[in-house]
Amino acid sequence: DAGVIQSPRHEVTEMGQEVTLRCKPISGHDYLFWYRQTMMRGLELLIYFNNNVPIDDSGMPEDRFSAKMPNASFSTLKIQPSEPRDSAVYFCASSFNRVNTGELFFGEGSRLTVL
Amino acid sequence: GDSVTQMEGPVTLSEEAFLTINCTYTATGYPSLFWYVQYPGEGLQLLLKATKADDKGSNKGFEATYRKETTSFHLEKGSVQVSDSAVYFCALSTFFSGGYNKLIFGAGTRLAVHP
Repeated sequence: DAGVIQSPRHEVTEMGQEVTLRCKPISGHDYLFWYRQTMMRGLELLIYFNNNVPIDDSGMPEDRFSAKMPNASFSTLKIQPSEPRDSAVYFCASSFNRVNTGELFFGEGSRLTVL
Repeated sequence: GDSVTQMEGPVTLSEEAFLTINCTYTATGYPSLFWYVQYPGEGLQLLLKATKADDKGSNKGFEATYRKETTSFHLEKGSVQVSDSAVYFCALSTFFSGGYNKLIFGAGTRLAVHP
C-alpha cells in the first residue's frame, strides 16, 4: 500500500515567488496534517483537516500561507509570496480514527529553499 | 500547556553500546506517549507507543516505559547498530476540542552510531 506521497521533494525558488506543495494521503485516512520542520523551531503543526474540512489552522504563520483539501485524496499548501524565512522541510501526514492514540503516517517531506 | 522535553543531542555511541534518550513531559489528563524516528531524508515513522501508566512500548529492540510518577518516557536499547543512526522524537498525544488526539513533539535527539 502506498504511503503518504508529497511533491515536489525539493523546491528552490526566489523570494516573492509563489510556492505550492502537494500531498496525497493514504487512502481511507480522514485526517491530514501539514507540519513544518526547521532547526530553530523543530516540528510545528501548521494546519489539519478532518474529512477535507480545515479544523485547526492556528499554526499557520501568517496570511501568506494557505492550505486546501478539495477532496479526500489531495491537499495543497501554498505560500504566496515566499520569503527566505519560509525555508524548511514541510511534511504532510495522515491518520484515521479520531479515537486513535495519535499515530500519524508521514510523507518524505518537501524541502523548500527560498533565496 | 502540554509539552515534551528531550535531552539535547547529538548522542554519539559506538556500535553495541547501550542507549538511553531521556524524555519528560508535562500534560493535563492522561496522555498517550510515543517515540518517532526520522532516518536521513525521510519522514517520521512511529517506533513505539504506550497508552497508559506502567505500559512498556517496544519495537526493533527499543523499549520505553510510561512512568506517570516521574512523568517520563525514556527510550532505551541494549545494543545499538550503525543503522540506528537517526533523529528520535518523543511525543505525547492529548485530546483537544477539535476532536482529535493532537500530537505534541519534542525537539528531537540526533543519534550517531559509529562502527
